[in-house]
Amino acid sequence: QVQLQESGPGLVKPSQTLSLTCAVSGGSINSGSYFWSWIRQPAGKGLEWIGRMYTSGSTNYNPSLKSRVAISGDASKNQFSLKLSSVTAADTAIYYCARHLYGSGTYLVYWGQGTLVTVSS
Amino acid sequence: QSALTQPASVSGSPGQSITISCTGTSSDVGGYNYVSWYQQHPGKAPKLMIYDVSNRPSGVSNRFSGSKSGNTASLTISGLQAEDEADYYCSSYTSTSTVLFGGGTKLTVL
Repeated sequence: QVQLQESGPGLVKPSQTLSLTCAVSGGSINSGSYFWSWIRQPAGKGLEWIGRMYTSGSTNYNPSLKSRVAISGDASKNQFSLKLSSVTAADTAIYYCARHLYGSGTYLVYWGQGTLVTVSS
Repeated sequence: QSALTQPASVSGSPGQSITISCTGTSSDVGGYNYVSWYQQHPGKAPKLMIYDVSNRPSGVSNRFSGSKSGNTASLTISGLQAEDEADYYCSSYTSTSTVLFGGGTKLTVL
């Protein structure tokens, strides 16, 4: 059973870079035809897809965040990361990492529990 | 890209059936059979309930079904149970190879 666990600072100052890591167990991030995504959810609001990484390392990002987002993987640690630059209060949300259904870049099957990131001075 | 359009809330009594709609455009819902639905209980991560418009992952009750017509997809829950009370989100692949979610629908079981 694949398990994912997000980690990172719970508080980030405005204009700084938000950095989160997703540790993966029960499967390797660089094997098989799998995509790995980041999704966020502001309190009381809906889900927003941030972007995804393929096992090859190629990436796709939400156009509304593309200029500020970078997703990358570290196979030696079996984890992948999210960096979101120039954050504002609007970036305050629960951030989830997830693995897609085999061969699909669309369907999110395994999710982390989520981590709350607050942007505030 | 704007979020897919879902009703803010729906409700039904135990045993009844409800349907949640999800409206997009020809660049997402209408253009591909890559629509999915997620269930999210308070404080929990979302759970995939339907993919490829109408397929259920292993372990998901057959009371959940999906369909699509044109730019609108639908999730139907039959034999409503108290445990079905949750938020539901639709999602679609898009023409720019991204994933787009709906705004979410709160299901209340009366």
